[in-house]
Amino acid sequence: DGGITQSPKYLFRKEGQNVTLSCEQNLNHDAMYWYRQDPGQGLRLIYYSQIVNDFQKGDIAEGYSVSREKKESFPLTVTSAQKNPTAFYLCASSMSGTQGFNEKLFFGSGTQLSVL
Amino acid sequence: AQSVTQPDIHITVSEGASLELRCNYSYGATPYLFWYVQSPGQGLQLLLKYFSGDTLVQGIKGFEAEFKRSQSSFNLRKPSVHWSDAAEYFCAVGPYNTDKLIFGTGTRLQVFP
Repeated sequence: DGGITQSPKYLFRKEGQNVTLSCEQNLNHDAMYWYRQDPGQGLRLIYYSQIVNDFQKGDIAEGYSVSREKKESFPLTVTSAQKNPTAFYLCASSMSGTQGFNEKLFFGSGTQLSVL
Repeated sequence: AQSVTQPDIHITVSEGASLELRCNYSYGATPYLFWYVQSPGQGLQLLLKYFSGDTLVQGIKGFEAEFKRSQSSFNLRKPSVHWSDAAEYFCAVGPYNTDKLIFGTGTRLQVFP
């Protein structure tokens, strides 16, 4: 079955530690996105990538980093510079990133990150 | 400023009752409008979208939404709610570019038997 896989489901971070969230898709989508979801708030865009080896900052990129070395993969690293990392992180993809057309987003099932 | 407002944080309905979830937006250009649903601990799933044409759009799971430009609204409706509809619902508005999508804060729907 095609879809987006996020791992792990739950992740704990110690002070000063970097952690990496995995996102893999087998939908052959060009564009991938990372969103942060906090209780009572909507989704906020962290980073997005419209094509391999290219990515752009979203609205809340500070304290995060990404890479897009393969079409299928878009890992997110939460660095120690992110002082309030506790949130639910959602990865998404859409078919055509370079055209920019506002298409259906396909979401993974999310990773809950908590600070120890 | 561009924004999406979902005025109802939490709604409770009885199974079989009708449902309307409100969504108001502020957007300077032609909006592309979406409703997504999220089950607990899961990602979001698209219910329906509006780009142009008929202002009443049909989605999955028996949902529909009506775009009212004069009221800047895109309310979601369902004639008869099922217990499995209990979830959080997000309205979103954007331009042509997916990376500019703005999400509302969500409405949590609880369904009583």
